[in-house]
Amino acid sequence: TQLLEQSPQFLSIQEGENLTVYCNSSSVFSSLQWYRQEPGEGPVLLVTVVTGGEVKKLKRLTFQFGDARKDSSLHITAAQPGDTGLYLCAEEYNFNKFYFGSGTKLNVKP
Amino acid sequence: DTGVSQNPRHKITKRGQNVTFRCDPISEHNRLYWYRQTLGQGPEFLTYFQNEAQLEKSRLLSDRFSAERPKGSFSTLEIQRTEQGDSAMYLCASSLIGAQYGEKLFFGSGTQLSVL
Repeated sequence: TQLLEQSPQFLSIQEGENLTVYCNSSSVFSSLQWYRQEPGEGPVLLVTVVTGGEVKKLKRLTFQFGDARKDSSLHITAAQPGDTGLYLCAEEYNFNKFYFGSGTKLNVKP
Repeated sequence: DTGVSQNPRHKITKRGQNVTFRCDPISEHNRLYWYRQTLGQGPEFLTYFQNEAQLEKSRLLSDRFSAERPKGSFSTLEIQRTEQGDSAMYLCASSLIGAQYGEKLFFGSGTQLSVL
């Protein structure tokens, strides 16, 4: 059974602050995905990272994949209330099969 | 492309009743997944189909749960003799399987089940 840990579990910050959330595994990822989920809705894919050391940017969001492909981070610059949600990472543990972490619940206060 | 559609959005039932949920994936997607999510947790894999074939079921899935994808298009998930522990959000996702890692999952809005 894969062990995918996300930290912190909860994060409450003021609008304009920066933050970083983490995703760590005991095994090597084939690929890793980050999703954002709003209450009452399904997760929405933000990014997929495949190559060790890869960095991807999506507006104010920066995603990094560790060199050893066992960890990843998501950094948000100048957070806005619209960034509020549950951030989930999912590792591809077998070809096209995905295992999700428990998520980081982010609240950005105006 | 209307995305992944799930019906109903909410279902309230009494313990012991049977319930059925429907998922309509994105039309050209050949893989369909069912996940279950409880409050404060990430989605938990239940089962998946490639076209009409059910390729894997989680060991967590009791024999009260059954899923079908009769023509490789929509899918149904049935829970028989519901229990209070079945209360959760049931999520459907679809993808277009390719020849490399990193396929994209597209999720529906889910069906929120409450068993009283």
